[in-house]
Amino acid sequence: DQQVKQNSPSLSVQEGRISILNCDYTNSMFDYFLWYKKYPAEGPTFLISISSIKDKNEDGRFTVFLNKSAKHLSLHIVPSQPGDSAVYFCAAPRLSGNQFYFGTGTSLTVIP
Amino acid sequence: ETGVTQSPTHLIKTRGQQVTLRCSSQSGHNTVSWYQQALGQGPQFIFQYYREEENGRGNFPPRFSGLQFPNYSSELNVNALELDDSALYLCASSPMTVAPEEQYFGPGTRLTVT
Repeated sequence: DQQVKQNSPSLSVQEGRISILNCDYTNSMFDYFLWYKKYPAEGPTFLISISSIKDKNEDGRFTVFLNKSAKHLSLHIVPSQPGDSAVYFCAAPRLSGNQFYFGTGTSLTVIP
Repeated sequence: ETGVTQSPTHLIKTRGQQVTLRCSSQSGHNTVSWYQQALGQGPQFIFQYYREEENGRGNFPPRFSGLQFPNYSSELNVNALELDDSALYLCASSPMTVAPEEQYFGPGTRLTVT
């Protein structure tokens, strides 16, 4: 049972433009959501999070939006840079600390 | 402060064999989680160890087992390997908090079962 879903396996964007990565979830009880970034041959690294009581969280070029009624969140990267090329995973917490459900990932390519 | 390390980087096993993967947690971290990432999939939670005790388990059969040692390093053992066990195995260490930014993943071990 996939609790967190990312329906776009890949996305290509021109440098300087906006990248929008999407994620859907099924459990309305999730307290917060995360985005992780993964480069080849490296482990995922934490990027940004959002509490379920907020609808937006911003950190520099990265903004996450949460639409609870639609059970949907999105990660916006503005402006996109070639170094942002990576696989992005959304995640939601399991029952206890630092145990997560991950989506299947979206591979972002930023074209110079 | 050292990061999370995993060994080996790659290995190839035959169906039915047993394998042990190792993870050294980041200094000061007492919690280790293991994930399986199959090709084209996201990481799937296997289990977590906190102070040498299992602290949560995902939907994996008992042939997936683990250990955590007093220095908080950890092992993942898989018995009776199946072809579907071919995957990248990730470990992550953290203090026992719910602050996700304090969880750090290792680079993973790529297991191929033939």
